[in-house]
Amino acid sequence: DAGITQSPRHKVTETGTPVTLRCHQTENHRYMYWYRQDPGHGLRLIHYSYGVKDTDKGEVSDGYSVSRSKTEDFLLTLESATSSQTSVYFCAISESTWAATYEQYFGPGTRLTVT
Amino acid sequence: KQEVTQIPAALSVPEGENLVLNCSFTDSAIYNLQWFRQDPGKGLTSLLLIQSSQREQTSGRLNASLDKSSGRSTLYIAASQPGDSATYLCAVRSGAGSYQLTFGKGTKLSVIP
Repeated sequence: DAGITQSPRHKVTETGTPVTLRCHQTENHRYMYWYRQDPGHGLRLIHYSYGVKDTDKGEVSDGYSVSRSKTEDFLLTLESATSSQTSVYFCAISESTWAATYEQYFGPGTRLTVT
Repeated sequence: KQEVTQIPAALSVPEGENLVLNCSFTDSAIYNLQWFRQDPGKGLTSLLLIQSSQREQTSGRLNASLDKSSGRSTLYIAASQPGDSATYLCAVRSGAGSYQLTFGKGTKLSVIP
């Protein structure tokens, strides 16, 4: 299994509070991603990073921000949590190789409930 | 906009049966396609990745095929086992300059002993 951890694994928070989720990898992969998974929608990309301090928006980025100050850590922040952000959040990593595969490996997920 | 469809949404088979899971995508200009397995309450496990130039990939009892021109991929599971019960997800990466994977909603497989 790829060395990806997410913290916390479960969190319950109130509407309007800030929340930060952390993804940590030990694989030294260049690319990191945050997805959310919701019933009826499947997995959707929130933000991704293609290097330290290099990030970009995905399909559902509104209400989220990210930061990457080190290769191994990618943080997802909900500045003011809303009930629509109740979801399971997954971090993923990938690397370009001589074959340029970009195969993505996923972390165990964080279940976030906003009340 | 790329859309990925997986049919059926759920499938139940007796142990030992060979089975095929289907994935279709609307834009054939893909960079690669990846099959994942997800167990309840768990993360995704990568099963197979097929580059756009490849026709198939094999890993143990799993074989994935890709027909880009028709926008289809299949995942063949031979001699199914109860431990194969999980949700199987298909995802495509559209283009070398795109980092986004577009996922289907999955097929939930139950293998009955």
